[in-house]
Formats: sequence, structure tokens, C-alpha cells
Amino acid sequence: QQQVKQSPQSLIVQKGGISIINCAYENTAFDYFPWYQQFPGKGPALLIAIRPDVSEKKEGRFTISFNKSAKQFSLHIMDSQPGDSATYFCAASGIQGAQKLVFGQGTRLTINP
Amino acid sequence: EAGVAQSPRYKIIEKRQSVAFWCNPISGHATLYWYQQILGQGPKLLIQFQNNGVVDDSQLPKDRFSAERLKGVDSTLKIQPAKLEDSAVYLCASRKPGTYKNIQYFGAGTRLSVL
Repeated sequence: QQQVKQSPQSLIVQKGGISIINCAYENTAFDYFPWYQQFPGKGPALLIAIRPDVSEKKEGRFTISFNKSAKQFSLHIMDSQPGDSATYFCAASGIQGAQKLVFGQGTRLTINP
Repeated sequence: EAGVAQSPRYKIIEKRQSVAFWCNPISGHATLYWYQQILGQGPKLLIQFQNNGVVDDSQLPKDRFSAERLKGVDSTLKIQPAKLEDSAVYLCASRKPGTYKNIQYFGAGTRLSVL
């Protein structure tokens, strides 16, 4: 119940295309869903996050879509650029108590120029 | 504002040896986390501190791993004795108090290789 399942493991997209990464969770107590971006040799950095009271959140080229009934959420990167090449992790936590983040397995995204 | 500092960046040891990692969180961040990130996987929480108290250590292998945050600022994570399967990146993260958003700031990590 504490798992967050992420797919695909790797993704190759042409420059200018749309990158889509999907995550699914089981624990209905989760109510905070961030996406982290990690470059080689660096720690993960928060990219964008959503709470389940909205179905979509957009920040620049990055959009989270959230489907509460299906317990799924996804990251869309519009107009993907080579600089977006990184590993992306979805995560989930509650906002009460210890607020422990549970991470997905990660998606290695490559944007071809 | 300075980020989360970790040292060393890399460490190579032989199995059964001991090793320690150090973390200095962002100033004013009361909550500190240690994660283990095995190659190709997402970070897995080992231990969470609130000031100098342990909030969650349910996934810390306590027979070989220990962590402390004596003065509520810096923290050290120790492995003794190390096993081959401990090869991973050990990430430290910290979080501001008093916000509902669970925004964690990560350091660059310490890459441990156990031979």
C-alpha cells in the first residue's frame, strides 16, 4: 500500500515533442504528489507538485494531471528540450504526521536534438 | 541560501569495514531525512529526524546502520559493518518547518561502493 508505481522506466522523445510519465498509487491517505528531477551526480530537485483537490496543475512547460478516482497522476513536458534530459521521480506523501515521501522507481528521459 | 551539504562525495570501502557520512541541512530546517538510492531505483527513506529526535526509522537496518543528530543541526549516518548490498548513493534532505507542503531539499549525496 505504500508503493508508488512509475512507468516507463526509460523514454526517448524528439526535441519539441511531448514527454509523458505516469504514476499510480494505492494508499488513499496520500494527499501530496510531487515530481522530482534528478541530473547525474546531483540530488533530486522538486519540479512541480499537486494536491488531490485539483485535477491539473501547470507551471511553464510542465503539467501534472491527477485522476483521484483512478489513483493515477502523470507528468507532461511540453516542447521537450535536450536540457530536460534527466531522471524523473514521482512521489507521494500525506500532509499529516511524519509526511514520509514514497518515491516511484524513476524514468530516465532522453530528449534527442 | 546555501543548500544541503554532504560529505564525502564518494567513498570506496571493503565489505565488513565501517563508514560514516555527514550532512549539514539548510539553516533553519528542523526536519532532516536520510535516503538510500540504489542504482536505477527511487530514493528510499532510512530515517527522519525532527530537530534531534527520531520521527521514523522503520526502514533503517538497525543491526548495521545508525544515525544521530545530536544538536538538531548536523547529522551523521554510519554503517558498521558494510555489506556489498549497501552500495548506493546516500542522500540527505531537509524541510522547512510550519508548511503543509512536503518540500524536501536534497543534497548531492555520497556515493558508496562496497567491494
